[in-house]
Amino acid sequence: RKEVEQDPGPFNVPEGATVAFNCTYSNSASQSFFWYRQDCRKEPKLLMSVYSSGNEDGRFTAQLNRASQYISLLIRDSKLSDSATYLCVVNSHDYKLSFGAGTTVTVRA
Amino acid sequence: NAGVTQTPKFRILKIGQSMTLQCTQDMNHNYMYWYRQDPGMGLKLIYYSVGAGITDKGEVPNGYNVSRSTTEDFPLRLELAAPSQTSVYFCASSSQANRGPGSPLHFGNGTRLTVT
Repeated sequence: RKEVEQDPGPFNVPEGATVAFNCTYSNSASQSFFWYRQDCRKEPKLLMSVYSSGNEDGRFTAQLNRASQYISLLIRDSKLSDSATYLCVVNSHDYKLSFGAGTTVTVRA
Repeated sequence: NAGVTQTPKFRILKIGQSMTLQCTQDMNHNYMYWYRQDPGMGLKLIYYSVGAGITDKGEVPNGYNVSRSTTEDFPLRLELAAPSQTSVYFCASSSQANRGPGSPLHFGNGTRLTVT
């Protein structure tokens, strides 16, 4: 079983729509969770950390469900500029972060 | 505000050649990492370092070597390039152990390597 698994998508949504997707992780001892954004063939950039109680950053909401071992990302009022691949990142063992393969989101006009 | 700097940006190698991918950071981060990313795949950890003089293997270390003589620099060495090493390589650093929120990775721009 992969340490971090994501639905690859693509999620193709119109501007203004809400899109949400999950990521599951296998190590129940994981303590750090992040969502990164990666534009085509560029370096990943931190979108937001994921806190136990859930957190928002503008139009983005992240949730953590430890019992079911998944995290989620919800994007409200999608913009064209939100088109990207979203990477789920979990610290699987100590200092090492494990990356999901990414969920591709395409926002169309 | 350089952050993490990788060189070169692009490189084409012939099978069996060697090269060193350079990575330097100016944020005084203790933790540094090398990842590779194949098309449509997630990033896979090659090697990491928790401080100068300390390195350890990640998921896919075969065919690579690293050193960490200073806090700033973490070069990745390919000794005998193989087509399977064609990939995009990212160096990253972080300020503390990845425990709890607030310890994200800062990435370099990547090195696109082709081995033919």
